[in-house]
Amino acid sequence: EAGVVQSPRYKIIEKKQPVAFWCNPISGHNTLYWYLQNLGQGPELLIRYENEEAVDDSQLPKDRFSAERLKGVDSTLKIQPAELGDSAVYLCASRKDYQETQYFGPGTRLLVL
Amino acid sequence: GEDVEQSLFLSVREGDSSVINCTYTDSSSTYLYWYKQEPGAGLQLLTYIFSNMDMKQDQRLTVLLNKKDKHLSLRIADTQTGDSAIYFCAEYSGGGADGLTFGKGTHLIIQP
Repeated sequence: EAGVVQSPRYKIIEKKQPVAFWCNPISGHNTLYWYLQNLGQGPELLIRYENEEAVDDSQLPKDRFSAERLKGVDSTLKIQPAELGDSAVYLCASRKDYQETQYFGPGTRLLVL
Repeated sequence: GEDVEQSLFLSVREGDSSVINCTYTDSSSTYLYWYKQEPGAGLQLLTYIFSNMDMKQDQRLTVLLNKKDKHLSLRIADTQTGDSAIYFCAEYSGGGADGLTFGKGTHLIIQP
């Protein structure tokens, strides 16, 4: 079974530019999460999807961040415009209904110059 | 809010046992997890324990949970160089956000 797939693995952009991250969860996993991991920190939840519905986006900075999960499978996280402080690892995780374990992708490492 | 605390570094000799400790504050935690993160990689689930258990063993890994003290530990027997990584403790208590709350991670350093 393939794991959670994320792309790109690395991204370097200049500040004020837009950037997008893509996630393909494990097949059959209805719940999808986006986490932010700053250097030297544990991951912090940004948003959770149940199928195509964003159930909780209270931690997502909505002035510049947006996310979507059209058709309830793949998801895209976008930042526009990016700021220097957005440099971090963006992790995607998925979970199957009625199971207690979240599985993480390899992450996208973003560097904003 | 919820808080998960871990010491930042642990150094052990190859072949010894490693014990990584974690404390949490949310008494409604239902599941507690240990994830491993190697350099440049995502988080790999190692093991988890349900809050009504006090111990779980899986090959070289032993998880101990003291729910009264809100203390979780991960013991790695016969530590190898491949165990060198950052180990994250995480708790899940459900609710609206449904995400995991992570500690800052413990860097496990293996001495030859």
